[in-house]
Amino acid sequence: GAGVSQSPSNKVTEKGKDVELRCDPISGHTALYWYRQRLGQGLEFLIYFQGNSAPDKSGLPSDRFSAERTGESVSTLTIQRTQQEDSAVYLCASSPRGTINTGELFFGEGSRLTVL
Amino acid sequence: DQQVKQNSPSLSVQEGRISILNCDYTNSMFDYFLWYKKYPAEGPTFLISISSIKDKNEDGRFTVFLNKSAKHLSLHIVPSQPGDSAVYFCASQETGANNLFFGTGTRLTVIP
Repeated sequence: GAGVSQSPSNKVTEKGKDVELRCDPISGHTALYWYRQRLGQGLEFLIYFQGNSAPDKSGLPSDRFSAERTGESVSTLTIQRTQQEDSAVYLCASSPRGTINTGELFFGEGSRLTVL
Repeated sequence: DQQVKQNSPSLSVQEGRISILNCDYTNSMFDYFLWYKKYPAEGPTFLISISSIKDKNEDGRFTVFLNKSAKHLSLHIVPSQPGDSAVYFCASQETGANNLFFGTGTRLTVIP
């Protein structure tokens, strides 16, 4: 499809294991965001990629979280040594524009992570 | 600390009536505001936005009002339709910043 694609849609893992979440943005979109939504909470910004610029990692909650993006394509979010508080829906979004009046973000369906 | 607040977790409205969803923000540097709609098992989708230079923006049945002095915005849906039943998120941004700050959402149920 032409939308933002995320995988896996659901992931159940044991505490202490590493997980990798993938995002395929809309073709041609230069900006890519990762957000997470914990139960009963709003969307929490994690990281932002814009073209080949250095990413804005200011939202990453700890050094167990990292993300990569190759050029303007796929991004992966990696969580090492998962903890139960990492359980959330991880949402990826892309945008054809940069930071000025970000406006419309196109979200994927999210990856639901459950850490037992 | 939540910079964007939606204090009503849920709202029920009869079909055909007006739905009013409210949002408050604390950061006076925010100058761009958006509403997103989310259906179950789907990602949020953009609905309508407003710049701080305006106090109203209308798009069909949807109107967003901004009161900068009160740091308050609201989304009006009229007439409400059953298909409008969803979770609505308010989001705010400071121009030039990378981040949209989202509220916790309000679940709207439109009763046929």
